[in-house]
Amino acid sequence: KAGVTQTPRYLIKTRGQQVTLSCSPISGHRSVSWYQQTPGQGLQFLFEYFSETQRNKGNFPGRFSGRQFSNSRSEMNVSTLELGDSALYLCASSLDRYGYTFGSGTRLTVV
Amino acid sequence: GQNIDQPTEMTATEGAIVQINCTYQTSGFNGLFWYQQHAGEAPTFLSYNVLDGLEEKGRFSSFLSRSKGYSYLLLKELQMKDSASYLCAVRDGIQSDNNAGNMLTFGGGTRLMVKP
Repeated sequence: KAGVTQTPRYLIKTRGQQVTLSCSPISGHRSVSWYQQTPGQGLQFLFEYFSETQRNKGNFPGRFSGRQFSNSRSEMNVSTLELGDSALYLCASSLDRYGYTFGSGTRLTVV
Repeated sequence: GQNIDQPTEMTATEGAIVQINCTYQTSGFNGLFWYQQHAGEAPTFLSYNVLDGLEEKGRFSSFLSRSKGYSYLLLKELQMKDSASYLCAVRDGIQSDNNAGNMLTFGGGTRLMVKP
């Protein structure tokens, strides 16, 4: 079966711009979580969506937002990009509480 | 909140056994996960512990002691391809709450280098 698909794989944006990243979970998975990975901070939880509702939220500023569609696909948006937003953004989907499958990520570079 | 500690780097020899420790201090506990991540790739699931004890899966085993806030990942018969980062992650929330959701707090990861 297909895994978690994230698009695009790579992205270069300028400070002040906004960006939208996409995640298609494994078929049947209703939970989608987003994480930011940087060399200095490691993997940090952004938010989780389940059945189109945000169920959990991490400690990130309001510039980071997300949503989930009825087909469980999810998008995250970052507005007013800062240099520090350069990171690998990972999406993970889950069928239940015990298994998480990560996508390959979107590497965002802010210049 | 959660605080998770694991060594930054470890080196081991091909064919040997290595143990990667993880300690955590949490306000809630709803399971501990170990992931493997090769450079430039997605983390892949290795193991899940929610009860005390040892879970064995081939060359990999994971142990949990909830009273001590401690876990380890044991890798046997090391192979060169095991060179990767190993991530310990704790899920927050109440164990009995099926609606607690999925929020993992990760340690900084342990970069394991396997040498010939």
